[in-house]
Amino acid sequence: GDSVTQMEGPVTLSEEAFLTINCTYTATGYPSLFWYVQYPGEGLQLLLKATKADDKGSNKGFEATYRKETTSFHLEKGSVQVSDSAVYFCALNSGGSNYKLTFGKGTLLTVNP
Amino acid sequence: DTEVTQTPKHLVMGMTNKKSLKCEQHMGHRAMYWYKQKAKKPPELMFVYSYEKLSINESVPSRFSPECPNSSLLNLHLHALQPEDSALYLCASSQEAGGKETQYFGPGTRLLVL
Repeated sequence: GDSVTQMEGPVTLSEEAFLTINCTYTATGYPSLFWYVQYPGEGLQLLLKATKADDKGSNKGFEATYRKETTSFHLEKGSVQVSDSAVYFCALNSGGSNYKLTFGKGTLLTVNP
Repeated sequence: DTEVTQTPKHLVMGMTNKKSLKCEQHMGHRAMYWYKQKAKKPPELMFVYSYEKLSINESVPSRFSPECPNSSLLNLHLHALQPEDSALYLCASSQEAGGKETQYFGPGTRLLVL
């Protein structure tokens, strides 16, 4: 079945540091890939997505590239801010009758001033 | 606009109470979902509605009863809950169900069962 493995945190960085959160997946066919962000006390927000190999999703300075050959979708940001502190979930949707998103376990990011 | 709204934001209920959670979207999406999220865990799918019909029930106890009155609204009726049902309940919607669709989430209802 489908699965997502992402680096487990917590990850603690200083403001303006470079961020990488690794995500690899196992899925049937060619899934759509997503990064969701959950700020404290809130619901999930779609951060970015990619629907086919070599697509790059980007939003708010975050980027991730759909790498079919390594089955990866690593999240990166060049310079994090305190306001980026949140839990980040990598997820996939392989379609079909499954209907559901398959999530990684989530990575807690804390950015210190 | 990719907004999904949920009410109430917080809910406290006793084990004998009956309450309902409400979810609304006006994006013309034809699929709507209920998820349950425990602290420090990813969301877990509970129910999927496609074109106002229940498509998926992930073996959820009958004390949770979903309802889809129309294509924009999704309710979750709660009755005789247990303390272990305390969690964040998230609603989501997507254009369709069954494809590799993007799901958009609401802010959630934080439920505490006493």
